[in-house]
Amino acid sequence: KAGVTQTPRYLIKTRGQQVTLSCSPISGHRSVSWYQQTPGQGLQFLFEYFSETQRNKGNFPGRFSGRQFSNSRSEMNVSTLELGDSALYLCASSLAIYSEQGDEQYFGPGTRLTVT
Amino acid sequence: AQKVTQAQTEISVVEKEDVTLDCVYETRDTTYYLFWYKQPPSGELVFLIRRNSFDEQNEISGRYSWNFQKSTSSFNFTITASQVVDSAVYFCALTLSGGSYIPTFGRGTSLIVHP
Repeated sequence: KAGVTQTPRYLIKTRGQQVTLSCSPISGHRSVSWYQQTPGQGLQFLFEYFSETQRNKGNFPGRFSGRQFSNSRSEMNVSTLELGDSALYLCASSLAIYSEQGDEQYFGPGTRLTVT
Repeated sequence: AQKVTQAQTEISVVEKEDVTLDCVYETRDTTYYLFWYKQPPSGELVFLIRRNSFDEQNEISGRYSWNFQKSTSSFNFTITASQVVDSAVYFCALTLSGGSYIPTFGRGTSLIVHP
């Protein structure tokens, strides 16, 4: 079974630009979550999508948004990039058959975003 | 609000030593889940274990073992006879049952195993 895939793996953008990151979950997984990982703040939850609906959202500004498609694939978008948005963005999927909060998550390799 | 503390930022050991990674959590909820994940240099977090708040049984899986103690709000992870391949950053995480699902991760402990 293929794991979680994320594209692109590396990205360099300039301040003020916008970026879209893509995540394909494990087949059959209905929940997709996004995280931002930085040396300073650690691993922070961005948002979670379940059946094309944003179910939960972390404490990030509105510049960070996402969506999920009917095939469970997800994208996240960051508009008006700032230097502080440089980070590893991780996507994780889980089975969530019963919307169980305790599902383990399976992570992708991440997208390394550098904002200059 | 919940909190997860991994006080050990970095641990360095020599191969075959035993090592324990500490995790202390805070929550007012009585039903919650605790996790450990491993992040090797490749960057991909790998799920290791899940424990719900009603199951305080310790667990052993090969060289890995976990000690969950509600009385001290700790969920510690021990690697016996460490190997170089164990070198990674290990994260402890907490999620609550029901309601808003926003997992809280600790800052991680970087384990370096020297040959």
